[in-house]
Amino acid sequence: EAQVTQNPRYLITVTGKKLTVTCSQNMNHEYMSWYRQDPGLGLRQIYYSMNVEVTDKGDVPEGYKVSRKEKRNFPLILESPSPNQTSLYFCASSFSQVPNEQYFGPGTRLTVT
Amino acid sequence: KNQVEQSPQSLIILEGKNCTLQCNYTVSPFSNLRWYKQDTGRGPVSLTIMTFSENTKSNGRYTATLDADTKQSSLHITASQLSDSASYICVVSRIYLKGGSYIPTFGRGTSLIVHP
Repeated sequence: EAQVTQNPRYLITVTGKKLTVTCSQNMNHEYMSWYRQDPGLGLRQIYYSMNVEVTDKGDVPEGYKVSRKEKRNFPLILESPSPNQTSLYFCASSFSQVPNEQYFGPGTRLTVT
Repeated sequence: KNQVEQSPQSLIILEGKNCTLQCNYTVSPFSNLRWYKQDTGRGPVSLTIMTFSENTKSNGRYTATLDADTKQSSLHITASQLSDSASYICVVSRIYLKGGSYIPTFGRGTSLIVHP
C-alpha cells in the first residue's frame, strides 16, 4: 500500500531532550516536507527536500533540523525541544518538485513540557 | 505578503444541502491552488488542483473554481453527506525562483459540520 508513515504518533517529552520524528514513504517520491499544525494557524511548512541531500527551509525552520540521506526517509530532529514546539506534525511527499499532489502522513502529536 | 484567507471559519449545514467555501489569496508568483480535506486527527487529502489556466475542476460532488484575476477560489459541495464533515483547506503554491521549487501557503481552513 502506498503510504507515508510517521513515528511515533504521540510523544510527550521534556524541555531540552533531543528527539527525532521519523518519516518514510514507499512511493519513490522525490519531494518530501514537514509541516506543523497549530489551532487557528493552519499548516506551516518547516523544511522541505527536493531530493536526496537537498533540503531547504520553509516558513518556520527555527529549532528544527532535517536530513535526507535516503530517498524514502526524511527525519525531523528537535535538538533542544521547547514548549512552543508543542504541536501536531505532518510529513508529506509528492512525486516531484513540480506541485503534484502531496500525500500526508498520519501526524505526530508532540507535547513538550 | 503571501497569504491565504478562507471563509467562513466554520459552517453547519443539514445533510443533503449544498454549500460553498471561499478562498482568497495574495500569493505571488502563483503556481497552483489545491483544496484539501482533513478529517479530524488525520492528514489532509487532496481534492482538486488548479493551475493558472483552469477555472473549474470537479471531483465527484466537489467542484472548485478559480478566478486568477481576482485571486479567488471556491469549493462547492453538492448534496452534502455526513462524511463531508471535516476541515477544508485551501493551499496556494508560489514558485521559489531561487531553487525552482514551489512553496505552499496554507489557509487556516473551514470547518464544515453536516448534521443529519
